Amino acid sequence: DAKTTQPPSMDCAEGRAANLPCNHSTISGNEYVYWYRQIHSQGPQYIIHGLKNNETNEMASLIITEDRKSSTLILPHATLRDTAVYYCIVRVVGQGAQKLVFGQGTRLTINP
Amino acid sequence: SAVISQKPSRDICQRGTSLTIQCQVDSQVTMMFWYRQQPGQSLTLIATANQGSEATYESGFVIDKFPISRPNLTFSTLTVSNMSPEDSSIYLCSVSGLTSGYEQYFGPGTRLTVT
Repeated sequence: DAKTTQPPSMDCAEGRAANLPCNHSTISGNEYVYWYRQIHSQGPQYIIHGLKNNETNEMASLIITEDRKSSTLILPHATLRDTAVYYCIVRVVGQGAQKLVFGQGTRLTINP
Repeated sequence: SAVISQKPSRDICQRGTSLTIQCQVDSQVTMMFWYRQQPGQSLTLIATANQGSEATYESGFVIDKFPISRPNLTFSTLTVSNMSPEDSSIYLCSVSGLTSGYEQYFGPGTRLTVT
């Protein structure tokens, strides 16, 4: 699986949009971009994933650049409960290709 | 998503002893995994628990130290054997195959302290 690069930490004001960047310049054509987050002392939580089109769900939006070398996770209206470590992971998807390789992630702090 | 539970939620153990951690899912899943998260670190995959056969271990992890069982599609155990303080970590199980997207869903973790 390709490696990702994320800033180690970010701050965001409550109620504002939090934009978390991720670089994955060596991503292969069949690798998806996944985002997870880990709130303190809990197991990681799946957020969203995409291949090349932008994706949106009830938690967040995922914007993937046209060359797929980077992406941005957007939390549109951040709350204090969004304070967590956010992991960007690229992986092949399919039977027999299930491994998640976690980097160090971005520690996002939402400030009141 | 499925409900995943782990037992125990935390434990304090003496060095040289062993601890078995249980992971229970409320529905059948295709894949089950065990991860370790050392203090202040990210998650590292220990092994994939295969139903009815031996687990598949990642580099740096061996069966003698981390024996794994998976007797059916909803349950798995991880044993941490002959523990040392370096084994103090959070151990997490995860499952996938619930949806076509192959997302992994994680249990709450077991916080292990070895003294």
